[in-house]
Amino acid sequence: ILNVEQSPQSLHVQEGDSTNFTCSFPSSNFYALHWYRWETAKSPEALFVMTLNGDEKKKGRISATLNTKEGYSYLYIKGSQPEDSATYLCAFKEGYQKVTFGTGTKLQVIP
Amino acid sequence: NAGVTQTPKFRILKIGQSMTLQCTQDMNHNYMYWYRQDPGMGLKLIYYSVGAGITDKGEVPNGYNVSRSTTEDFPLRLELAAPSQTSVYFCASGSSGGGNEQFFGPGTRLTVL
Repeated sequence: ILNVEQSPQSLHVQEGDSTNFTCSFPSSNFYALHWYRWETAKSPEALFVMTLNGDEKKKGRISATLNTKEGYSYLYIKGSQPEDSATYLCAFKEGYQKVTFGTGTKLQVIP
Repeated sequence: NAGVTQTPKFRILKIGQSMTLQCTQDMNHNYMYWYRQDPGMGLKLIYYSVGAGITDKGEVPNGYNVSRSTTEDFPLRLELAAPSQTSVYFCASGSSGGGNEQFFGPGTRLTVL
């Protein structure tokens, strides 16, 4: 069983604040790292798929970086809005088949 | 495209009963997955399939069975339901290329009493 850890477990920020959280994963047998956004009562939706060391991805106010050699990825949200409130999951792919999810960071943006 | 569909949305089972959770995708994805979500535990992989006729165990396969006779369908079977199987079950699919993000169904909430 692979160890994919996310921190913090939960986070409360004020509207307009910027925030970031971390996903740690094994640094061997890396294939890809996914970030998903999971709103309450909905299904997870993919934000980013990252495959190369040093990858940086951006979608609007959300961006992510990847360091496969040290086994971590950061997700950044600039100027948080209430609609950003969700659980953010990372998923580590070892090889092209198996996927291990972290337990997520639950973000609450307070208006 | 409907994407990934799951039925039923909710189900209550008695201990020892059996049922099949249905999952269908219309995106011609080779890869399909079954996860369960337990409170505070994130998503745990039950079974996955890389194509029709090919299935493999994930992290928590005990008490479940799967089959993949077509590209579109990936049903999950619970043979003898136990209270420990009370959970929300998500089916997902993905293409075989690159880092292949997964597309999730809406989930099935199962309670075993």
